[in-house]
Amino acid sequence: DAKTTQPPSMDCAEGRAANLPCNHSTISGNEYVYWYRQIHSQGPQYIIHGLKNNETNEMASLIITEDRKSSTLILPHATLRDTAVYYCIVRVVGSNYKLTFGKGTLLTVNP
Amino acid sequence: EPEVTQTPSHQVTQMGQEVILRCVPISNHLYFYWYRQILGQKVEFLVSFYNNEISEKSEIFDDQFSVERPDGSNFTLKIRSTKLEDSAMYFCASSHDRDSYNEQFFGPGTRLTVL
Repeated sequence: DAKTTQPPSMDCAEGRAANLPCNHSTISGNEYVYWYRQIHSQGPQYIIHGLKNNETNEMASLIITEDRKSSTLILPHATLRDTAVYYCIVRVVGSNYKLTFGKGTLLTVNP
Repeated sequence: EPEVTQTPSHQVTQMGQEVILRCVPISNHLYFYWYRQILGQKVEFLVSFYNNEISEKSEIFDDQFSVERPDGSNFTLKIRSTKLEDSAMYFCASSHDRDSYNEQFFGPGTRLTVL
């Protein structure tokens, strides 16, 4: 799986949009970008995934650049409960291979 | 909403003892996983399981570890002779009903403390 690079930490004000960047410059054509988060020692939670088009669900939006070398996860209206470590993972879709977690980005939402 | 459950939430054991961690995956899922997270470190893959056999395992998953799906609902991780360095959070996950894109759903974890 391609390697990803994320900032170690970010802050966001409650109610504002949180934009979490991820670089994945070695991504292959058959690799999707997945985002998970982990709220303080709980099990990781799936957020969203995408291939090359922008995606949106009830939790977040995923913006992938045209060259697919980077992406941004957007939480449109961050709440205190969104404070967590966010992981960007690239992975071949259609496989049930392991998820390889990096260190992720610790997002702290401040009141 | 269906979820993965794990028992116990916290297990304390003496070094050298056997432990069994239990998981109930989401009922229509076909693939099952164990991960662990040592305090302050990354989540690490241990093993994946499909069709009653191991499909992939990491170098961490040595002969002291085994997995089993003893019935149609439970998925277990056994550590035969625990070591101090086995102290960690152990997460079970499951994936792949026919309509999914293979996102993995994680349980709340079992905190294993080896004394």
